[in-house]
Amino acid sequence: DAKTTQPNSMESNEEEPVHLPCNHSTISGTDYIHWYRQLPSQGPEYVIHGLTSNVNNRMASLAIAEDRKSSTLILHRATLRDAAVYYCILKNAGGTSYGKLTFGQGTILTVHP
Amino acid sequence: SQTIHQWPATLVQPVGSPLSLECTVEGTSNPNLYWYRQAAGRGLQLLFYSVGIGQISSEVPQNLSASRPQDRQFILSSKKLLLSDSGFYLCAWGEGGIVQPQHFGDGTRLSIL
Repeated sequence: DAKTTQPNSMESNEEEPVHLPCNHSTISGTDYIHWYRQLPSQGPEYVIHGLTSNVNNRMASLAIAEDRKSSTLILHRATLRDAAVYYCILKNAGGTSYGKLTFGQGTILTVHP
Repeated sequence: SQTIHQWPATLVQPVGSPLSLECTVEGTSNPNLYWYRQAAGRGLQLLFYSVGIGQISSEVPQNLSASRPQDRQFILSSKKLLLSDSGFYLCAWGEGGIVQPQHFGDGTRLSIL
């Protein structure tokens, strides 16, 4: 599976936007970009996914670079409940992946009141 | 709507004792099922996945085994626990496709003494 690189940690203030970067320079044309987050002592939670175009949902926005070698998860107004570990994961359409997820270390987001 | 149940929430076991963790999914049929483990301060590691009753694929060699006796039931077991089996165990289900998300349970925190 293609690898992703994320900063170990980021900090934000409450009600400010947060941009969480992810590098995936070896992404293939059939890799989808998925984001999950994990709140303390809980299982991961799906946030958003995309292939080429920018995506929006009720939780966040996903901005994908034109060459697809990087992406950014955008939280428009951070709240204290957004403090979590954010994982950027590539899922491949081919082969026998069976929807498996390969988690990296993720980015620890701290939100200050 | 679909729900996933995982129990117990916490478990303390002596070294050498057996283990059985259970996970059940409601509201869907023939889901892909997954067991992950998260060691302290680390990312999630996929242990087993199953695409159907009686079918188990192991991702890493270990002291654990998994079984799927029913469509929506996934069990993680061990005959003799090791200290290194401590961790946060998470069950997840998904439809297995490239875009469908995985949905995680609340996890079991296992401590081996």
